[in-house]
Amino acid sequence: GAGVSQSPSNKVTEKGKDVELRCDPISGHTALYWYRQSLGQGLEFLIYFQGNSAPDKSGLPSDRFSAERTGGSVSTLTIQRTQQEDSAVYLCASSLRRASPQFFGPGTRLTVL
Amino acid sequence: QQQVKQSPQSLIVQKGGISIINCAYENTAFDYFPWYQQFPGKGPALLIAIRPDVSEKKEGRFTISFNKSAKQFSLHIMDSQPGDSATYFCAAFLIGGSEKLVFGKGTKLTVNP
Repeated sequence: GAGVSQSPSNKVTEKGKDVELRCDPISGHTALYWYRQSLGQGLEFLIYFQGNSAPDKSGLPSDRFSAERTGGSVSTLTIQRTQQEDSAVYLCASSLRRASPQFFGPGTRLTVL
Repeated sequence: QQQVKQSPQSLIVQKGGISIINCAYENTAFDYFPWYQQFPGKGPALLIAIRPDVSEKKEGRFTISFNKSAKQFSLHIMDSQPGDSATYFCAAFLIGGSEKLVFGKGTKLTVNP
């Protein structure tokens, strides 16, 4: 069916506010990834979910960032107390299983004023 | 630590020419090397990928050349077209490892008509 979808496509927020970004992976894909794309840092891994296993959170830049994946499908990335340096495009990707090709969504552009 | 180095940062070619983008990696444990194509406002799209047990893979006008001993791989776009104008990212992946894609910084390709 459809590819990876993300919402919102754009989010403008004020410094200090919390934001939630949503990802709907491709149906049947067991693996889900979050990446961040910014001008200075390129594409950076944030977090990885695989089935019911504990997520790999090794890429989260600070404890203000968290993510969850409910029911093995939809995922939400939450950024608390946003800072200007959090401004970036947040990309979600999914893959059928471990070690299979990753397919990206269109991203959410976050702007922190 | 930048584990995947990509060059050039930008590339301009004439329609019908050959576009060549190079990447070098440091971690010899990487065992899957995809290339992604990204248009403005879109997420990266998987273009072509290679495993280190082959030296070349061709799909249509796109070819990956892989040199395991030199830890280098490159993307060749034959008969480049204006529609190929996009940003291209090489990446590396460790199957069975951290499951995250490690990306190069990207190459902005412009194909002039």
